[in-house]
Amino acid sequence: AQSVTQLDSHVSVSEGTPVLLRCNYSSSYSPSLFWYVQHPNKGLQLLLKYTSAATLVKGINGFEAEFKKSETSFHLTKPSAHMSDAAEYFCVVSSFSGTYKYIFGTGTRLKVLA
Amino acid sequence: DSGVTQTPKHLITATGQRVTLRCSPRSGDLSVYWYQQSLDQGLQFLIQYYNGEERAKGNILERFSAQQFPDLHSELNLSSLELGDSALYFCASSSGHHSPYEQYFGPGTRLTVT
Repeated sequence: AQSVTQLDSHVSVSEGTPVLLRCNYSSSYSPSLFWYVQHPNKGLQLLLKYTSAATLVKGINGFEAEFKKSETSFHLTKPSAHMSDAAEYFCVVSSFSGTYKYIFGTGTRLKVLA
Repeated sequence: DSGVTQTPKHLITATGQRVTLRCSPRSGDLSVYWYQQSLDQGLQFLIQYYNGEERAKGNILERFSAQQFPDLHSELNLSSLELGDSALYFCASSSGHHSPYEQYFGPGTRLTVT
């Protein structure tokens, strides 16, 4: 069975400091992993994806994530937070069961303090 | 702008009623996914269609149904509405279903059942 766990429901950082949003996954197969961002009252936007190529994945807006198979993790990082990064972030694992299914984490709400 | 459109943006209706939500996928995308997002349940996958055929089912109630038409737009029908059906309903599209393609989300339809 596949699952995804976002370890923090809320994260607060000061503007200009690093961001770390943690995600662990469980998958019977080689997983594909995604991070999405949702700003208030908006749809979800893809930040980045991992599909068995380079383990360090760069996304939009300065975000990146590293796939660590030994730790079953796919944490999202950014060196310096901006106020505009305040949003909810979802980690997603894609699994194959006849067709590809997408399992969403419960989300991490990022607050950026001035 | 993801290229996925959803109508209407907001819908207010009474318990027991029936509503239809509409989604147009990005040009060229064959897969359509429906999700329900509420405060208590988070983001829940409902159902997926690929080129007019149902491909995967998630936590979709029997009171809910969906279809994808030959022009690839999709409709989600919600009937015998209950207060608990109040939520944000998202549609997403992707180009295939045989690989873990990223999904592109629409802006959502906010349903309020009174």
